[in-house]
Amino acid sequence: QSALTQPPSASGSPGQSVTISCTGTSSDVGGYNYVSWYQQHPGKAPKLMISDVNKRPSGVPDRFSGSKSGNTASLTVSGLQAEDEADYYCSSFAGSSIFVFGTGTKVTVL
Amino acid sequence: EVQLVESGGSLVKPGESLRLSCAASGFTFSNAWMIWVRQAPGGGLEWVGRIKSKTDGETTDYAAPVKGRFTISRDDSKNTLYLQMDSLKTEDTAVYYCTHYISGSVHYWGQGTLVTVSS
Repeated sequence: QSALTQPPSASGSPGQSVTISCTGTSSDVGGYNYVSWYQQHPGKAPKLMISDVNKRPSGVPDRFSGSKSGNTASLTVSGLQAEDEADYYCSSFAGSSIFVFGTGTKVTVL
Repeated sequence: EVQLVESGGSLVKPGESLRLSCAASGFTFSNAWMIWVRQAPGGGLEWVGRIKSKTDGETTDYAAPVKGRFTISRDDSKNTLYLQMDSLKTEDTAVYYCTHYISGSVHYWGQGTLVTVSS
């Protein structure tokens, strides 16, 4: 099972929006509505930001939103803040009880 | 509050074995599906394997790179998850996270434990 493809980096100024893509196949992203997004700050464990394509867990700011079209999922961070600077990973259920992560995107707040 | 505390990480030589433990609290562990995730130094996240609850058959599945070498087990009486790692390779060097999997997402993560495989 290959990793999902994400851009290595993305950036934006405070207050702007940034969108990260996560491209898979019909066997993972395109086949199930089980796409999640995680935020990881340096030296810390990842944190769930979006589940089931577009659901925000309790406590996650509504600046974070998720969507999916075909085999590509997206995470949008609106109104960028300094604390949003982190690595972001997507994941998807891939059938047969297999789970796959994305390659990761480093978001920089300029 | 959900807590997952990993232990057992250390420096080992290629070919050796190591067992990681994860003490869980704050949720009904016996009903939980659990996943091990690893992250190589400077690298991305990698799914290692999953164990279902006893009610769901306690079935395990593994990622291709570790299949046949790693074994996930659980002791519901101790609220503890295990990862037995045999025939370790240098490429298994990573921080290993114990995680609680709910309906397609990893909702809770431990702090991780570092495993270094080097001669």
